[in-house]
Amino acid sequence: AQKITQTQPGMFVQEKEAVTLDCTYDTSDQSYGLFWYKQPSSGEMIFLIYQGSYDEQNATEGRYSLNFQKARKSANLVISASQLGDSAMYFCAMRGSLSSNTGKLIFGQGTTLQVKP
Amino acid sequence: EAQVTQNPRYLITVTGKKLTVTCSQNMNHEYMSWYRQDPGLGLRQIYYSMNVEVTDKGDVPEGYKVSRKEKRNFPLILESPSPNQTSLYFCASSFWGGYNNEQFFGPGTRLTVL
Repeated sequence: AQKITQTQPGMFVQEKEAVTLDCTYDTSDQSYGLFWYKQPSSGEMIFLIYQGSYDEQNATEGRYSLNFQKARKSANLVISASQLGDSAMYFCAMRGSLSSNTGKLIFGQGTTLQVKP
Repeated sequence: EAQVTQNPRYLITVTGKKLTVTCSQNMNHEYMSWYRQDPGLGLRQIYYSMNVEVTDKGDVPEGYKVSRKEKRNFPLILESPSPNQTSLYFCASSFWGGYNNEQFFGPGTRLTVL
């Protein structure tokens, strides 16, 4: 079975500092994708960053980077230079290979991040 | 602008009154899916479609129907809504159903069934 675990229900970070949101995953697939989404209080689900299981380099998108440690099955999100607008719920998600999946995203329970001024 | 649109954004209805939530994407995506999000239960897949005329059940399909007659549209139908279908609903799409492409989400539909 595939599973995503986010162990931090809530996090605080000071504005302009960096923060790491933890994510571990479990899968028997050889091919899979790991994703992070942001859900602000308004409710929409915003795609942030993707990491493929075969990618050797960590993914980066602007202030977001994904610290991918395949042997440890972790895919932590690092947000650099936090801004007030980063306050939101963050979800780690996984998508497995087509043969074992419906194409669905499997989500973790989320981490609420609050950025302090 | 590339996007997934859903309508309505908010809906309050009564038990048993049939409703449809529309979903449309303008990115020529083959794969589309519906999720519901509930406190404590997270996001769960309701139905998905790998391509036109190809739909299948997700994890929580009971009480829902879908159709995929055109590539861009994937409506969610509640034939006889019940209070336990009160939820936040998301439509999502991606180029295909494989692991190596992101799903883009619509803005969500907050449904309340009284």
